[in-house]
Amino acid sequence: EVQLLESGGDLVQPGGSLRLSCAASGFTFSSHTMSWVRQTPEKGLEWVSSITGPGTDTYYSDSVKGRFAISRDNSMNTLYLQMNSLRAEDTAMYYCARGSSGTNGLLDVWGQGTMVPVSS
Amino acid sequence: EVVLTQSPATLSLSPGERVTLSCRASQSVSSYLVWYEQKPGQAPRLLIHDASNRAAGIPARFSGSGSGTDFTLTINSLEPEDSAVYYCQQRLHWPLTFGGGTKVEI
Repeated sequence: EVQLLESGGDLVQPGGSLRLSCAASGFTFSSHTMSWVRQTPEKGLEWVSSITGPGTDTYYSDSVKGRFAISRDNSMNTLYLQMNSLRAEDTAMYYCARGSSGTNGLLDVWGQGTMVPVSS
Repeated sequence: EVVLTQSPATLSLSPGERVTLSCRASQSVSSYLVWYEQKPGQAPRLLIHDASNRAAGIPARFSGSGSGTDFTLTINSLEPEDSAVYYCQQRLHWPLTFGGGTKVEI
């Protein structure tokens, strides 16, 4: 069964850092682009970042560029999101999502999400 | 970035009815439009990709159509479990963008 399991969400103060993880199972992890998408009641779903299968190319939304870093460990089937200089507006549920093989930008499997509240 | 506008925001319907949801793009996305379903407390689930292709395991009562800037998701013969928020997403242009969602209440 294809599964994605996020972890690492926690209450963090503004200006702080946090690293999210997403453990993948049930598919050939290294063959898929992986993404992070966040959701808030106010802004809805927002794409955050993507990384290609080999990890050679990364993409970021303007709202997180320079503060967040996506990475992956294909030997561990794990996706990461390092979040620095966190702001209140980064408060969201963070989902990792699998990109459908050979289909750019199609998110065909999603994890259950991990909550990141940013507050003092 | 491409702005996706979904309408209506909320619908209240009865089981067995047919519903059509709209998604309009601020610029052409060709046929690269995706629909997701999200139930309370759950992650989004892929329903339709590339405007009209049902994802694996999605019942035939779900169908999508459209191209360019105007797209629709139709659900025939609504069932109680179709209560959810439905989102569209375009995958032609970076950044990927999502619509604001339509909440369907059965």
